[in-house]
Amino acid sequence: DTEVTQTPKHLVMGMTNKKSLKCEQHMGHRAMYWYKQKAKKPPELMFVYSYEKLSINESVPSRFSPECPNSSLLNLHLHALQPEDSALYLCASSQDPGRSRGEKMNTEAFFGQGTRLTVV
Amino acid sequence: AQTVTQSQPEMSVQEAETVTLSCTYDTSENNYYLFWYKQPPSRQMILVIRQEAYKQQNATENRFSVNFQKAAKSFSLKISDSQLGDTAMYFCAFMKHWVPGGSQGNLIFGKGTKLSVKP
Repeated sequence: DTEVTQTPKHLVMGMTNKKSLKCEQHMGHRAMYWYKQKAKKPPELMFVYSYEKLSINESVPSRFSPECPNSSLLNLHLHALQPEDSALYLCASSQDPGRSRGEKMNTEAFFGQGTRLTVV
Repeated sequence: AQTVTQSQPEMSVQEAETVTLSCTYDTSENNYYLFWYKQPPSRQMILVIRQEAYKQQNATENRFSVNFQKAAKSFSLKISDSQLGDTAMYFCAFMKHWVPGGSQGNLIFGKGTKLSVKP
């Protein structure tokens, strides 16, 4: 299984709604990432979890709340979003090559297909 | 802090020809990884090729190869025998080496090069 699965694929929400984006991987990866991508722009890092601990928070507004319940799951809780938060939200995961115990491991990030979020 | 620069916002190439996409980066790290990702209109981010900084040999994957110049901090992507399916946005990306048993730094992207392959 070499997939990162994101749900839902599309989400339309009002500014007063609460919703969650979900991301799942079963590759044994110990880093998971949330990125935000606007049209014709590169992905912008939001959060990184390493070994289920939040290791990077790129000054993201508190209306975005990440959660890593276990090593396979990553959630992004959304509350009181603004129209400018409309974007493609990408989840990714990567392996820690230092845990390979001599076996060559690659550490590239695998990406999900994203959730296209529209805030109305 | 690390930065990744792609100086070509758009490029085009005729089918079956060769094209080179440029990427430069800036870092004080000695151990790191470099990647080229492809993002077609479907928006799925797909790994094209990877390079470990400690390896002097340039990575190749079928029609894709890189020219990695560590001292110059340059990492260009060459696509040979271009195909219509290569049409996509291409991102150069940098990742720091993992801290043993510790945290991972982020995966930083350049602004991208939009490649169009023309029949």
